[in-house]
Parts: sequence; structure tokens; C-alpha cells
Amino acid sequence: GQQLNQSPQSMFIQEGEDVSMNCTSSSIFNTWLWYKQDPGEGPVLLIALYKAGELTSNGRLTAQFGITRKDSFLNISASIPSDVGIYFCAGSTQGGSEKLVFGKGTKLTVNP
Amino acid sequence: EAGVAQSPRYKIIEKRQSVAFWCNPISGHATLYWYQQILGQGPKLLIQFQNNGVVDDSQLPKDRFSAERLKGVDSTLKIQPAKLEDSAVYLCASSFPGWSPVPSGNTIYFGEGSWLTVV
Repeated sequence: GQQLNQSPQSMFIQEGEDVSMNCTSSSIFNTWLWYKQDPGEGPVLLIALYKAGELTSNGRLTAQFGITRKDSFLNISASIPSDVGIYFCAGSTQGGSEKLVFGKGTKLTVNP
Repeated sequence: EAGVAQSPRYKIIEKRQSVAFWCNPISGHATLYWYQQILGQGPKLLIQFQNNGVVDDSQLPKDRFSAERLKGVDSTLKIQPAKLEDSAVYLCASSFPGWSPVPSGNTIYFGEGSWLTVV
């Protein structure tokens, strides 16, 4: 089945630093989504991307849908302690949220 | 707007026992999903319903897992008999309207999950 390779697995950064994480696939996706999951909670959608090359921001978060449609990245600028959590990329070959495939997540730790 | 409701939040059972999880999606959401999330991994789709019909259950281990959404609203996921490897968080999610000409109309919303430990 389709797999998403998400990296890095974990990151330890100082408050105020910028963060970058990415996701790659051997398959072409029509949708790329980025989620954040806090301990004991379900994933919460951060950014949704629907067109190749699309660059979308949500506050301090910016994500891009790769031109090849096989990758996406998420940047977080000026990190703060509440950014701590696990970030997941997810993609759909069908569009929208149909048959989403998730990466294994990037665990982010922010030191005050 | 109320979110996706799930219960129970936590369950510990012995292997070979059975367990059932319940989900009530966001009001009006036609599509309901059950995902399994094993510790350290991303969620994996088990089954997708649109109204009361199954759209995709290709990754559901049908020898032990079953799910239903009889009236097209709430849903139950059952595991019988449970195995140790079934220990995971079972996430329910929903989306509206199920199909949309605008991709963003298919945004899915997750519940908090039901945490299962099989001992």
C-alpha cells in the first residue's frame, strides 16, 4: 500500500527557533494535510493543501504541496512551548479526505 | 458546534475478550471513519461509512473486527476476540457532506479516541 515517509522522527529545539519537517511518497497524492496531535487527544487539522505548488499559511505555520505531488513540507516559525506535540502529514490519492494515508509523525519538543 | 464524541475513553481487557467502541459524529456529517493508531505510528484507516453504507473496509481485519452504522448517524466498532496487537487508540472521525465539489468540503474532524489495552 501507499506509504508516507515523514522526517525527522523527532526534534528538540529552543523556544523561538524555526522548525521544518517534511513528508515524501513514491505515489502521487491529490491532497496533503498536516495534523497536530496532543497527548490523549485526536489529531487536529492545521493546514490542508489541494493543488500542486500551493503554499498555505496558518499563523506561524506554513505548508507547501510539492510540484511533483509526491512531497510536502511544514514550517513553524518562532516556536513557542505550546507547539509541543506530534505532527502528522497525511495524503489522499483520491482527493479531499478520502482514504487518507498518514506518516509516522514528527515529535516536537520545545525547550523554554 | 459539538465535536465527534467517542466512548469509552479507556478500556483494558484480556486477550480473547470482546470490546465495543461507540462514536457519534458531528451533526449532519454523512461520512464516518474509524482509524486505528498504534503507539508511535500514524492513524490507519479501518473502515469508512457514507451514511449507513460501507465505502471502504479493505484494511479492516474482518475475522475479528466489525463495525456498523445502522441509522447513518452513530457507529459502533467491535473487536472479538481481541489480541495483544489490537492495543491501540481507536479514533473516530467524520466529514461533511461526504462528497463535495470543493475539496475543502471533505475536511475530517477526529474525536479524542478510545484507548484500548489488551493484556
